[in-house]
Amino acid sequence: EVQLVQSGAEVKKPGESLKISCKGSGYNFATYWIGWVRQMPGKGLEWMGIIYPGDSDTRYNPSFQGQVILSADKSINTAYLQWSSLKASDTAMYYCARPRSFGAGNSPFDSWGQGTLVTVSS
Amino acid sequence: DIHMTQSPSTLSASVGDRVTITCRASQSISTWLAWYQQKPGKAPKLLIYKASSLESGVPSRFSGSGSGTEFTLTISSLQPDDFATYYCQHYNTDPFTFGQGTKLEIK
Repeated sequence: EVQLVQSGAEVKKPGESLKISCKGSGYNFATYWIGWVRQMPGKGLEWMGIIYPGDSDTRYNPSFQGQVILSADKSINTAYLQWSSLKASDTAMYYCARPRSFGAGNSPFDSWGQGTLVTVSS
Repeated sequence: DIHMTQSPSTLSASVGDRVTITCRASQSISTWLAWYQQKPGKAPKLLIYKASSLESGVPSRFSGSGSGTEFTLTISSLQPDDFATYYCQHYNTDPFTFGQGTKLEIK
């Protein structure tokens, strides 16, 4: 069974850094892209970007480029989303998700993590 | 970037109704379109991919159609479990943007 398990909720202050994780199991982690999706409180889904753990090829939504960094460590089947300096506007639920097609970034997400709630407040 | 617009934003309907949600793309995306269902506090669930292909395990009352720039999601006979928010997403060229969502409410 494919599973994506995300790290727990975080409460941070503006200006702090943060790295959240998404651990995959039940499939060959290195050969499927992993995407990240933001959902601000009461709002819709926003596609942030995707990373291919096999070679760390990364595609960013221009709206998020320079604001976050996607990374992955295929040796421990884990993808990461990180910020160097959080803002209050980063408060949101963040989901990792796996596309349904092997090796294809342009494929819809059929497996999702449970979400990581990030709260940024002074 | 390709912009996705859903209509309506909110839809009130009753159990047993047939409902249709529309999604329009700002440029042609062939059939590279997916539909998701999201319930409060839960991750989205994939319903339809490639515009009209039903994901495994999804009830047959859900169907999708369209190509190019205009797409629809139809629920043939609403069940109590179907009241949720629905999103379309293109996956033609990145960024693979989502529509703004359609909240399906009980009338």
